[in-house]
Amino acid sequence: GAVVSQHPSRVICKSGTSVKIECRSLDFQATTMFWYRQFPKKSLMLMATSNEGSKATYEQGVEKDKFLINHASLTLSTLTVTSAHPEDSSFYICSARAPGQGNSPLHFGNGTRLTVT
Amino acid sequence: AQSVTQPDIHITVSEGASLELRCNYSYGATPYLFWYVQSPGQGLQLLLKYFSGDTLVQGIKGFEAEFKRSQSSFNLRKPSVHWSDAAEYFCAVAGGAAGNKLTFGGGTRVLVKP
Repeated sequence: GAVVSQHPSRVICKSGTSVKIECRSLDFQATTMFWYRQFPKKSLMLMATSNEGSKATYEQGVEKDKFLINHASLTLSTLTVTSAHPEDSSFYICSARAPGQGNSPLHFGNGTRLTVT
Repeated sequence: AQSVTQPDIHITVSEGASLELRCNYSYGATPYLFWYVQSPGQGLQLLLKYFSGDTLVQGIKGFEAEFKRSQSSFNLRKPSVHWSDAAEYFCAVAGGAAGNKLTFGGGTRVLVKP
């Protein structure tokens, strides 16, 4: 149980275009999802906390107008990279926790490799 | 603010040998601590977690970790490494509740020699 699915697993796009990444909790409802970014050979950096039905909370230094997060339902959060540039190329990973499970660890998706050409 | 340090960027170990990965954390209260493993191009898999109680926790794939409050450490160990253990390992801490946002260490890449 507690499966988190990310789609797509890989995407290549041209500079200036927008890309949407989906994060779904398949067998549980997630009131909170987290979006992380991982640079090559680096650790995971938290970008934002996505709360169902409300605005996302962004970490310091993350451009909220560039990385749009929508958490419209208890099973889906989306991250849209707007006007993508080559420096946005990275590995993006989402994670989720189920409501009412304060001591349940986060479950991670398999990540999305974004390449901007 | 919480933080995690993994002092070793790379570790090379022979197959069958023991492995220990170091992790030091900083957090004002009792932390929720985790070890995750990541294979290339993949997401994260939870190996084990510590919330409270017994300071020696057992995880999947034969891994264990010991929480030492006095040393602010949560080192990961495996008695005998298999070639399939080659991966990136991340230590992480969550504050307040285990389902809160995680702060990750820089990761340790484990290479396994035949």
